[in-house]
Amino acid sequence: GAVVSQHPSWVICKSGTSVKIECRSLDFQATTMFWYRQFPKQSLMLMATSNEGSKATYEQGVEKDKFLINHASLTLSTLTVTSAHPEDSSFYICSARASTGGLYNEQFFGPGTRLTVL
Amino acid sequence: GQNIDQPTEMTATEGAIVQINCTYQTSGFNGLFWYQQHAGEAPTFLSYNVLDGLEEKGRFSSFLSRSKGYSYLLLKELQMKDSASYLCAVRVTDSWGKLQFGAGTQVVVTP
Repeated sequence: GAVVSQHPSWVICKSGTSVKIECRSLDFQATTMFWYRQFPKQSLMLMATSNEGSKATYEQGVEKDKFLINHASLTLSTLTVTSAHPEDSSFYICSARASTGGLYNEQFFGPGTRLTVL
Repeated sequence: GQNIDQPTEMTATEGAIVQINCTYQTSGFNGLFWYQQHAGEAPTFLSYNVLDGLEEKGRFSSFLSRSKGYSYLLLKELQMKDSASYLCAVRVTDSWGKLQFGAGTQVVVTP
C-alpha cells in the first residue's frame, strides 16, 4: 500500500516551453501533497505544499507564477514548470500524506521526474 | 532558522557497522525521519523517532535525544546494496507535516 506515482519519469524540453508533471496517490487519499526539487548531490528542497481544493503554499524564493501547482482531487496534484529554462533542469519529487494517518503520518514519495531543459 | 547537519560521506566495509549522526535546530519538532535514497530514485522510509530512545528495525536502528537535538542511524551487517544516500528529516510543527531535510550522507560500502 501507500504507492505514489509520477508521470513522466523523465522529460526533455526546449527552453521557453512549459512542462506538466503529475503526482498520483494510487491506493490512498492525500489531502496534502508536497513538491520538492533536488539538484545533483544535494538534498531535497521543499518547493510548495499542495492542499486539495485550495491554493498551494510556496516556500520562500519559489516563484508561484513559474511553478504552477494544482491539487484538483484527493489523488492528483500537478506541477507545471512554465517557460522552462536550463537552470530549471532538476529532479522533481512529489510526496503525499494520507488523509487518514498512516502508521507515522509519514510522507510517501513518488519515483521522481528528471527534467532537462535544452 | 532551520539547520540540520549530517556528515557528507562515510565509507565502510561490507559486514561492518556504520553510524550516521544528525544534529538539528528547527522551529518546532514533531518527529524525526530517516530515509534511504539511491541515485536517481525517490527516498524510501527507514525509521521514525518522536520520543527519546532507540528504535530497532532489523539491521537498522535509529536513536533520538530531543534535549540534545541529536539523532543517529545505525546500519549493521553492511551489504553492498546499502550504498546510498541517507537523509535525516525533521517534521516541523505546522498543520501540514512539512519535512526539513538534511543534505544527506553518502554511504559507500566497499568489499
